[in-house]
Amino acid sequence: AQSVTQLGSHVSVSEGALVLLRCNYSSSVPPYLFWYVQYPNQGLQLLLKYTTGATLVKGINGFEAEFKKSETSFHLTKPSAHMSDAAEYFCAASGGSYIPTFGRGTSLIVHP
Amino acid sequence: DVKVTQSSRYLVKRTGEKVFLECVQDMDHENMFWYRQDPGLGLRLIYFSYDVKMKEKGDIPEGYSVSREKKERFSLILESASTNQTSMYLCASSNHLRGQETQYFGPGTRLLVL
Repeated sequence: AQSVTQLGSHVSVSEGALVLLRCNYSSSVPPYLFWYVQYPNQGLQLLLKYTTGATLVKGINGFEAEFKKSETSFHLTKPSAHMSDAAEYFCAASGGSYIPTFGRGTSLIVHP
Repeated sequence: DVKVTQSSRYLVKRTGEKVFLECVQDMDHENMFWYRQDPGLGLRLIYFSYDVKMKEKGDIPEGYSVSREKKERFSLILESASTNQTSMYLCASSNHLRGQETQYFGPGTRLLVL
C-alpha cells in the first residue's frame, strides 16, 4: 500500500524567500505524484503532477517539483514566496491502487 | 472548467439526525469520491464510486453510506449523526479509474453535529 509523508505540518517563510515543502512516498511500483493546494475555505486544486517523462515538473503560480526515484521524494519548491501562497499544501501518490493516498498536509505561512 | 458543487457550505445538525450531503459534477466524470478532512489527519477517503450504482468503501466507511443514482450526483448519508462526525467533507471527481488522473474537488461542507 502507498504511504505519503509530508515533513512538517507548518512551514513559515518570509515574503521573497525560497519555499520548500517536502514529500516522501513509499511504493513498490512507479508512482504518479501530485501536489494540491487548498486556499482558506476552498476545496483542493491541482498545482502539478508527475506521471511519466521529465522528472522536473512545472505547475501553476511558479511552483515546481522534482521526482527523485532514488530518494522516493517529490519536494515542492518556489524560488520566491508571495503572500498569496499562504495555504495548505497536500502531496498525493497513486500507483498500484487507482485511488490516490494523501499526505497529512503542510500549512505554508508567509510573513511580510 | 470542471465544476464540482456541494449542496451546503455549512451545516449544523443534532446528534441522531439523518444527514444528506449532496455533490454534483458537470464534466461527465466516471469517478466520484467523498473525503473527510480533519486538522492534522489530512484527507481520509470515506467512499468512492466508479459508475452509477457502484460504490466501494474507503478507509473510514463506518457510520456513512452513499448513493449514486445518476452519473453526475454522489450523495453521502450519515444515518445517525454523532459528534465525532463533526468535520469538513470534501467531494471530488475524476475522469477515469487510472492512477494519473487529476481529482477535481468541491468547496467542501463544514458539518457541525451538536
